[in-house]
Amino acid sequence: GQQVMQIPQYQHVQEGEDFTTYCNSSTTLSNIQWYKQRPGGHPVFLIQLVKSGEVKKQKRLTFQFGEAKKNSSLHITATQTTDVGTYFCAGNNNDMRFGAGTRLTVKP
Amino acid sequence: GAGVSQSPSNKVTEKGKDVELRCDPISGHTALYWYRQSLGQGLEFLIYFQGNSAPDKSGLPSDRFSAERTGGSVSTLTIQRTQQEDSAVYLCASSLGGLGTEAFFGQGTRLTVV
Repeated sequence: GQQVMQIPQYQHVQEGEDFTTYCNSSTTLSNIQWYKQRPGGHPVFLIQLVKSGEVKKQKRLTFQFGEAKKNSSLHITATQTTDVGTYFCAGNNNDMRFGAGTRLTVKP
Repeated sequence: GAGVSQSPSNKVTEKGKDVELRCDPISGHTALYWYRQSLGQGLEFLIYFQGNSAPDKSGLPSDRFSAERTGGSVSTLTIQRTQQEDSAVYLCASSLGGLGTEAFFGQGTRLTVV
């Protein structure tokens, strides 16, 4: 069945440094979504990518969808303490499968 | 309510007992998902309901797990003969148009099997 791999599992950065998390799917995806889960909270939708090679930006966050629609990345520029949390990608085909998530911690 | 509601928020049960977890999706949402999240881990897909179609049960870990969705709205996840490894947070989500539309998550049910 469809599997979504996500790396790294953890990332600790100094405030102001950049951060990137990567997702790879074993199958071509119809679309990919990104979610953020704050400590003690539930996942909250960030964005969806649909087109091959698509790039979307939300302020300091940049999301990319690979040409083959099998991989994606989330890049945060100049991290802030409010960026702390776990970032998940979710690949959609016949169902919605989540990656294992990347837990981001930011040192002030 | 305005969001996805799950009950109970916490459940402690003895090993071997059956439990039922409830999810009230956002009104009008056709898709409903169940996930399991162990402490510090990712979201493990369990089951997906879309409208009146047969549910995608491919994620259910064993035949002790079952779920139903009555009238295209409320869903119940049942775990029979609970085991300690079933301890986790069970998250429900719903979306308006199924796959490819934003999923809204409930706060989850924290299940502890002792």
